[in-house]
Amino acid sequence: KQEVTQIPAALSVPEGENLVLNCSFTDSAIYNLQWFRQDPGKGLTSLLLIQSSQREQTSGRLNASLDKSSGRSTLYIAASQPGDSATYLCAVNMIYNQGGKLIFGQGTELSVKP
Amino acid sequence: SQTIHQWPATLVQPVGSPLSLECTVEGTSNPNLYWYRQAAGRGLQLLFYSIGIDQISSEVPQNLSASRPQDRQFILSSKKLLLSDSGFYLCAWSRENTEAFFGQGTRLTVV
Repeated sequence: KQEVTQIPAALSVPEGENLVLNCSFTDSAIYNLQWFRQDPGKGLTSLLLIQSSQREQTSGRLNASLDKSSGRSTLYIAASQPGDSATYLCAVNMIYNQGGKLIFGQGTELSVKP
Repeated sequence: SQTIHQWPATLVQPVGSPLSLECTVEGTSNPNLYWYRQAAGRGLQLLFYSIGIDQISSEVPQNLSASRPQDRQFILSSKKLLLSDSGFYLCAWSRENTEAFFGQGTRLTVV
C-alpha cells in the first residue's frame, strides 16, 4: 500500500530565504507526482506536475524534483515571500490505479515571516 | 480554459438531514471526476471517482453516495447525515493520468 509522507509538518522561515519541502513515497510504481498549494479554508491549487520519466519541473520561483527510485520529491522555493505562506501538499498517481486517483501526503504548513 | 465550480461554500446541517453537494466542470468533455474529504489537520481521502456517466466507484464504505447525472456534473449526497460526516469536501477533475484541478471546497458542519 502506498504511503506518502511530508516532513516537516510545519515550517517557519524569514522572508527571502530559500527553502525545500520534502515528500517521500514507499512505492515507486508511480505515474506522476503533483505538488499543490492550499490556502486556509480554500481548495487546492496545482503548482507542478512531474511525470515519472522526468527529473524536475520549474515554474517561476518553484522547482520540483523527482527521484523515483529512492521514493523522494522536493519542492524548492526560491526567495520566499510572505505570500508563499500556505500548506503545501504532494500527491502521487499510481500506475496500477484506474482513474487517475491521487494519494496525498499530510502536507507541510509554511509560514514566511516579513 | 477549463473551470470547476463547487457549491455551496459552507453548509451547516442537523444530524439526520439530507445532503447534496454539486460540482460542475466547464471547458472540457468526459473528464474524470472525484470527491475527496479533508478532515481537520489531515490529508485528503478519496471518497468517489468517476471515469464516465454511470461509472462511479466508491473508495471507502460510508454514509455518502455519488451520482453523475451529466458528463460534467458530479453530486455528493447523503440521505441522513452523521456527526462524523463533518469535514471539508473537495471536488476535482482530470484527464486520465494528467494534472488534477480542484474546486474551492465545501465546509460541512453537522450539528
